[in-house]
Parts: sequence; structure tokens; C-alpha cells
Amino acid sequence: SYVLTQSPSVSVAPGETASISCGGNNIGRKSVHWYQQRPGQAPVLVINNDSGRPSGIPERFSGSNSGNTATLTISRVDAGDEADYYCQVWDTTTDHPRWVFGGGTELTVL
Amino acid sequence: EVQLVESGGGLVAAGGSLRLSCAASGFTLSSFEMNWVRQAPGKGLEWVSYIGSSGNMIYYTDSVKGRFTISRDNAKNSLYLQMHSLRVEDAAIYYCARVGARVGDGFDVWGQGTKVTVSS
Repeated sequence: SYVLTQSPSVSVAPGETASISCGGNNIGRKSVHWYQQRPGQAPVLVINNDSGRPSGIPERFSGSNSGNTATLTISRVDAGDEADYYCQVWDTTTDHPRWVFGGGTELTVL
Repeated sequence: EVQLVESGGGLVAAGGSLRLSCAASGFTLSSFEMNWVRQAPGKGLEWVSYIGSSGNMIYYTDSVKGRFTISRDNAKNSLYLQMHSLRVEDAAIYYCARVGARVGDGFDVWGQGTKVTVSS
């Protein structure tokens, strides 16, 4: 089965840039989606199809995907960006297609 | 306003059953693929089940196959998850989530979740 690997935590100072990675076998051939989940809230789609920003998501959020790694980049980080971030792909490598989430990365703003 | 509202969660003994519902408003449910996603306490997101826009395609994660059934009633703008033979490890917040309108889109609308507690 397809596995997405994320680092458990990332810390960044306010105003700096946070990079959150998502590893998977040839993930560059898949569309990757990213979600932000603040404590006690439902997830929110922040990056769609590798690099698309849904309506209402700040330009500070960007995404890329190549080879075996997809990356969510958050520039000019502020306290409001503290949250868990999850990557996601649609896996069709078996007879039973399924959605797969990474384990999540906790972003801490120092 | 586009919205999903889950209901039906609660406390159930292991081996019991629950039926979750998800009411859609602000959009036509029949035009969208839908999913259930769960999150155990302190854990990450886990996809549970998918259903195509007309209900013709259905998929489940391995751990719930044969125990959970996803369905939809487009006329009632509602999505359901029937859960049988519940296990302690099924305890989680269950979210319904809409797949975006374009092919390959992610989940662009989520409900607030409904909590399922399974006692041993």
C-alpha cells in the first residue's frame, strides 16, 4: 500500500519561512493536496493539486511536487499558522483505490 | 453558504452499531463525490470511505470493510455511514468531506465532525 511520510514537527520563528515535506514513492506523478488543521477544528484545504490555492487561502501558502517529495511552503509565518498539516494523495496502485493521508506535521511558531 | 453537518455520533458498546448522517446545504450533493474521514484522539487523519456522485463507486479502508457501509440519498442531500460490529479502535471524530468539482481535486468542504465513542 502507498505510504506518505511526514516529519512529526517543524518549528519556525515568526516572519520566517516554513517548509513541510511529504515523502512517497514517485509522489511527483500524483496530485498532492495539503490540509491545515488547527486544534479543535476541522481540516481546511490549503493547497490543491500540488500547487493550487483555493479561494481564501493567502498567497503565503505554496506547494511543489517532484520526484519522491512534495513540499508545502509557508512564507512570512505568523502565530495563526500554528497547526497540524497533512498531505494527501489518491492511490490507485492496487485493485482498491483509496485516499491516503500522511501522518501529519505539527508546525510550531516560536 | 456551502455547509456539511454531521450527526449521529455517540457512545456505543463494542460490538454495537451506529448510523452517521451528513446533511449538505448550499450546493447540490448529487454533483459531488463524498468521503468519510476519521480522527482518533490525538492521532492523524484517516480516510474511511468514498462514494461516487451517483453512488455507483464505493471504496473502504481495509479495517472497516464488511463492517461499515457508505450510502447517499441525493434527493435528501444526505450522506450516511452505517457502522456495525464497532471496535474500541473505531472511536474517533468522524468527518464527512466533499471532493472538489474538478477531476483530481482534494476535499474542499468538511463538516465539523461527530464524535463516536466505543466502550469496551
